[in-house]
Amino acid sequence: EAQVTQNPRYLITVTGKKLTVTCSQNMNHEYMSWYRQDPGLGLRQIYYSMNVEVTDKGDVPEGYKVSRKEKRNFPLILESPSPNQTSLYFCASSLESGGTDTQYFGPGTRLTVL
Amino acid sequence: KNQVEQSPQSLIILEGKNCTLQCNYTVSPFSNLRWYKQDTGRGPVSLTIMTFSENTKSNGRYTATLDADTKQSSLHITASQLSDSASYICVVADNYGQNFVFGPGTRLSVLP
Repeated sequence: EAQVTQNPRYLITVTGKKLTVTCSQNMNHEYMSWYRQDPGLGLRQIYYSMNVEVTDKGDVPEGYKVSRKEKRNFPLILESPSPNQTSLYFCASSLESGGTDTQYFGPGTRLTVL
Repeated sequence: KNQVEQSPQSLIILEGKNCTLQCNYTVSPFSNLRWYKQDTGRGPVSLTIMTFSENTKSNGRYTATLDADTKQSSLHITASQLSDSASYICVVADNYGQNFVFGPGTRLSVLP
């Protein structure tokens, strides 16, 4: 089944404790992206990647890191999480960037930073 | 500043009725406009994608329109069903199709 998977789905952590949220897609997509969703604000793009080893900042990259060593994986890293990073996070992928390819979203990761 | 606005913020309709959701955007340059459906606690699912040259696109009971001159779009839902209860999100991609600006969504509730 074609899908985008994220792990973990739920995570409660404390300020400053490094964490990684994994994202994997099995559709051989080139474009992958991370978003956060907060009430009343809609989804905001954190980072995106057009292909392996190519990543770029989105609208809200502060406090986050990403890597794209393999085509299928695009982990989101929070080196020192803070309470303002408490949010619902979505990973998404599409065949290519720059066109009208459908973007497929993962199920989401709900992160709480205490 | 690139922005996408949606109205109404929320909407309640009875099963079987039609409804129309609105989207206004100021994203420039423009590549395409998308409508997504998001069920509570789940990731958004694509409904339609329209480029500058398209002014209408349908997906079953969902019909989206686009007026690129006025920078407005609408999503019309025909003969609503209980399963249509969800948030509907308007998204505009910039000229390069790499950056996406999301609207805040319209929360639709369909009652029996």
